[in-house]
Amino acid sequence: QKEVEQDPGPLSVPEGAIVSLNCTYSNSAFQYFMWYRQYSRKGPELLMYTYSSGNKEDGRFTAQVDKSSKYISLFIRDSQPSDSATYLCAMTENTDKLIFGTGTRLQVFP
Amino acid sequence: GAGVSQSPSNKVTEKGKDVELRCDPISGHTALYWYRQSLGQGLEFLIYFQGNSAPDKSGLPSDRFSAERTGGSVSTLTIQRTQQEDSAVYLCASSFNPPSYTFGSGTRLTVV
Repeated sequence: QKEVEQDPGPLSVPEGAIVSLNCTYSNSAFQYFMWYRQYSRKGPELLMYTYSSGNKEDGRFTAQVDKSSKYISLFIRDSQPSDSATYLCAMTENTDKLIFGTGTRLQVFP
Repeated sequence: GAGVSQSPSNKVTEKGKDVELRCDPISGHTALYWYRQSLGQGLEFLIYFQGNSAPDKSGLPSDRFSAERTGGSVSTLTIQRTQQEDSAVYLCASSFNPPSYTFGSGTRLTVV
């Protein structure tokens, strides 16, 4: 079993939909949780960063962490075609190496 | 430049040859990381440099892989005697305040 599990998709939604992306993990020591967005042939770009449990909102994006269930989510409201990318969750116990999920490919069609 | 720069962007090499991949981190970023991204495998940690501390090499897959960071800035990842399974995108990231990283666009390595 991988430390971090993520559904690879693809997830295809119409423009304006609410998108829910999720990861589960097995290591209860993880404290920092990140979501990265990766466009084709580009490096990952940090979207959201959360420490411990709780919610964090930034514009159309909301990140949730439920440490009791070892489950994290990223919600995208009013999705746009420009949101079409691969979304990677990542987490770490401290501040050094990140453990990544395999990524979920999202397609938002007009 | 403002971002993390990696070169070359693409590299095709013959099996058995050595390759060097270069990373120029953001100026002032003390932490530097190398990851490998294979199709459908997600990002795999390779090595981590933090300031003057000894690097964390725990992710290097074999002794054919090595990395150095000169003067706390530029880093080079070297793969000796390349194998076909080494084909992947090699990503470098730097950080001033881990675990918030900035990634480069990567080097796409193809071993034929």
